[in-house]
Amino acid sequence: RKEVEQDPGPFNVPEGATVAFNCTYSNSASQSFFWYRQDCRKEPKLLMSVYSSGNEDGRFTAQLNRASQYISLLIRDSKLSDSATYLCVVPTNFGNEKLTFGTGTRLTIIP
Amino acid sequence: EAGVAQSPRYKIIEKRQSVAFWCNPISGHATLYWYQQILGQGPKLLIQFQNNGVVDDSQLPKDRFSAERLKGVDSTLKIQPAKLEDSAVYLCASSPGPGSNQETQYFGPGTRLLVL
Repeated sequence: RKEVEQDPGPFNVPEGATVAFNCTYSNSASQSFFWYRQDCRKEPKLLMSVYSSGNEDGRFTAQLNRASQYISLLIRDSKLSDSATYLCVVPTNFGNEKLTFGTGTRLTIIP
Repeated sequence: EAGVAQSPRYKIIEKRQSVAFWCNPISGHATLYWYQQILGQGPKLLIQFQNNGVVDDSQLPKDRFSAERLKGVDSTLKIQPAKLEDSAVYLCASSPGPGSNQETQYFGPGTRLLVL
C-alpha cells in the first residue's frame, strides 16, 4: 500500500450537492491527519486537521477510520468556490514534522 | 503577518543549465521545507531544515540538487545541471518548529520551473 493514496478524480459535482473523498494511508502509527486545499496554480493551504474520530467545520466534515486506515472529507451544500484540489496529508516521520502528501483529488463544482 | 516569500515566480531554462530558487520563511519559523510538485501530483518533500541543520534530505537528488540555510532564516535551492524532468513547481514551506502547532505548514507561492 502506498503511504498515502487518493482517488485523483476528477469529481464534477452540481452546486448544492454533497461530495465525499476518501484517502487511505499505510502507517498505522499515524495519529493526526490533514486535508489541504490547493487552488489552480496556487499553493496548498490547510483546510482541516483530524486528530481523533473526526472534525467538523461548517460544511466540511473530516472522519477517521483507524481500523481501516482511511480518512474521508465530506463537503455539504457545495459551492462554486469549493472547486479545487484536495490533498490528503499524513505525518510519516514522527518527531520531525515530516508530512507526506497524496496526489490530490480534483473537484469541480458545476453551476 | 507576512507569509512565505519565494523568488523568482517563474523560470525557463534549457537542460544542463543551472538555476537557483530563494525562500524567505515566516519570521520566527524554525522549520523550513522545500517541495517539488510535478503537474498532477502532490508535493514531494525534497529537504527539511530545522534552523540551519538538515533534518531530512532522503528524497533530494544530491547529484544535481543542493540546498542551504546558512543563517537559519533564508534558504536557497539549486539545480545543476537541470534535466527535462525537473520541470515542476518548487514550493517552500515553513512551520514554527517542535513544541508548537507542528502540523501547520505555511506554503509560499512557489517557483514554476520549465526546462526545455
